[in-house]
Amino acid sequence: DAKTTQPPSMDCAEGRAANLPCNHSTISGNEYVYWYRQIHSQGPQYIIHGLKNNETNEMASLIITEDRKSSTLILPHATLRDTAVYYCIVRGREGGGNKLTFGTGTQLKVEL
Amino acid sequence: NAGVTQTPKFQVLKTGQSMTLQCAQDMNHNSMYWYRQDPGMGLRLIYYSASEGTTDKGEVPNGYNVSRLNKREFSLRLESAAPSQTSVYFCVSTPGQGGLLYTGELFFGEGSRLTVL
Repeated sequence: DAKTTQPPSMDCAEGRAANLPCNHSTISGNEYVYWYRQIHSQGPQYIIHGLKNNETNEMASLIITEDRKSSTLILPHATLRDTAVYYCIVRGREGGGNKLTFGTGTQLKVEL
Repeated sequence: NAGVTQTPKFQVLKTGQSMTLQCAQDMNHNSMYWYRQDPGMGLRLIYYSASEGTTDKGEVPNGYNVSRLNKREFSLRLESAAPSQTSVYFCVSTPGQGGLLYTGELFFGEGSRLTVL
């Protein structure tokens, strides 16, 4: 499975766009990029996923570079409630299954 | 539709005691996972089951055993608990399709907080 690398922390002013980068330089052609976030010790919450095209939903946008080696999650208007740890993962195959490996994520702090 | 249900939510054990964390999903998913999360760290994969009848080791399997009892249930057992196993445990399920390419949402349980004294 492809490994992901994220900055450990980022700050963002409330109302501004939060851009969270993820490096997945070893991603293979059949692996998708997923983003989740975790608030305190709750179970992670799904945000968005994509393969190679940019994606947008009601929560966020996902920009994947053309070579697919990196991606950026964009929260267009960050609020205090978006303060969380954000995880970028890739879905892969091993032994016929779908082994999922999380990194340590990015702690996003949204401030007034 | 309850999603992913984990029990118990909280448990305190003494070193050497054994216990089983239960996980059940009602979404007819094929793939299920157990993760642990320690303070300030990400989620680390303990074991996973790509489909009923199969289990595989993840990153940190030592000290744990699992059973995929049926399609719905995936249990995690600590045979002889150690303080290093103090953690929050998350069960995850996703539809999965075995060896085929699959995309889809991961469904997380609410977590089980285990303390080993």
